[in-house]
Formats: sequence, C-alpha cells, structure tokens
Amino acid sequence: GAVVSQHPSRVICKSGTSVKIECRSLDFQATTMFWYRQFPKQSLMLMATSNEGSKATYEQGVEKDKFLINHASLTLSTLTVTSAHPEDSSFYICSFLSGGGLNTEAFFGQGTRLTVV
Amino acid sequence: SQQGEEDPQALSIQEGENATMNCSYKTSINNLQWYRQNSGRGLVHLILIRSNEREKHSGRLRVTLDTSKKSSSLLITASRAADTASYFCATVWMDSSYKLIFGSGTRLLVRP
Repeated sequence: GAVVSQHPSRVICKSGTSVKIECRSLDFQATTMFWYRQFPKQSLMLMATSNEGSKATYEQGVEKDKFLINHASLTLSTLTVTSAHPEDSSFYICSFLSGGGLNTEAFFGQGTRLTVV
Repeated sequence: SQQGEEDPQALSIQEGENATMNCSYKTSINNLQWYRQNSGRGLVHLILIRSNEREKHSGRLRVTLDTSKKSSSLLITASRAADTASYFCATVWMDSSYKLIFGSGTRLLVRP
C-alpha cells in the first residue's frame, strides 16, 4: 500500500507555543487529505478536509485560526496548532486519499501525540 | 456531524471464539473500510468493501455491507489474544468533496 510519513511522532510543548505537524505522501499524489484528532478511548474526529491549492474546509467546532492547515502540494500537508493549550493535547493523524469512486482508499500517517504542558 | 455508530462499544471474548462488530452510518457511501488500532498507535487498514459489494473475506476476517440498512459488520473468526485492539469502520462519501468519517469504534479484548 501507499506510504504516508507523519512527523514528529511525539511532541511536548509549552502552553502558548505553536507546533507544526507534517504529513507527506511518499509514493503517490493526492488531491484530498484529512486531519483527525483522537482523544483517549475515543474515535477519530475529522477536523478538516484539505484540497490541494484551495483552503481547508473545517468541521463544525474546529477553530480555523487555531489549527492552520497548509496543503502546499499534492504530497505535503502541514497542521500547525497555534497558541497551544493543555486541552489541545491529543493524538493527531493525517490521511491522504488515493484512487476515486468506489475504489477511493485512505492512507494514514503514523500519528502525532501532542502533549501541552 | 460525524458519521456513524458502532456496537458493541466493548467486547470481551475467549481466545478461539468469534467476534462480531457492527457499524451503522448515515449517508450514501462510495465504500466502507475497517481499521484496527492498538492502544496509542496508528491505524492499520484491514479491508475495504465497495458500495456495490455485499460480502468480502480476507483471512480470518469477513465483512458484510447492507446499503439498504446502512450497516456493515466485521467478523473475526477464531480470535487470538493478538487481536485485542480497537476496531473502527470508516465511510468514504461525497459531499462537496470526498469525506472519510469514522464510527465510534469497538474495543475488543480477547482473553487468552
């Protein structure tokens, strides 16, 4: 299957600072990608959908000024958590879509565990 | 809002038994995918079933899809302790663009 590289895998930052998470598809190009957040013992909640070359579409309740998404190319997307607070501590996962129609398949990064102290 | 529900939320079985997890969703879909996640780790893709398929097998996994009921099930046969994990369904569908939405998940414990 396709390979998606996400880093860092783990980051600890101080409250008030910003953290950038990078997600890169290594062997395919994707026009659509997603960012998810997962709290302990919960499912993955979609934060935003990003299409290359256009602005990200955020889900209800997700602050676009706090979670900056840059989908700069078909193989690279970044999520920046700005002015992080302890409640932003979570597991963040990116996903790229490949294929289309009924065969549309998602490939995931390994996830980033963010701890804000 | 997020897409679907899974039941049971938690399932505890003895090694060797079968485990069945169910997933319901809300919209018309392109396909449905099942994933596994070990605690604190990333996702492992298990199987994809297209909306025009009704059943699919992969090793000890059997997935069914009923688009009329907007539901899917994942059966793990002859379970092993190593199958202990959380299992999620995720649906691919089109809004203004593609969406990939996860169900609430089932935590499976297989007792040795």
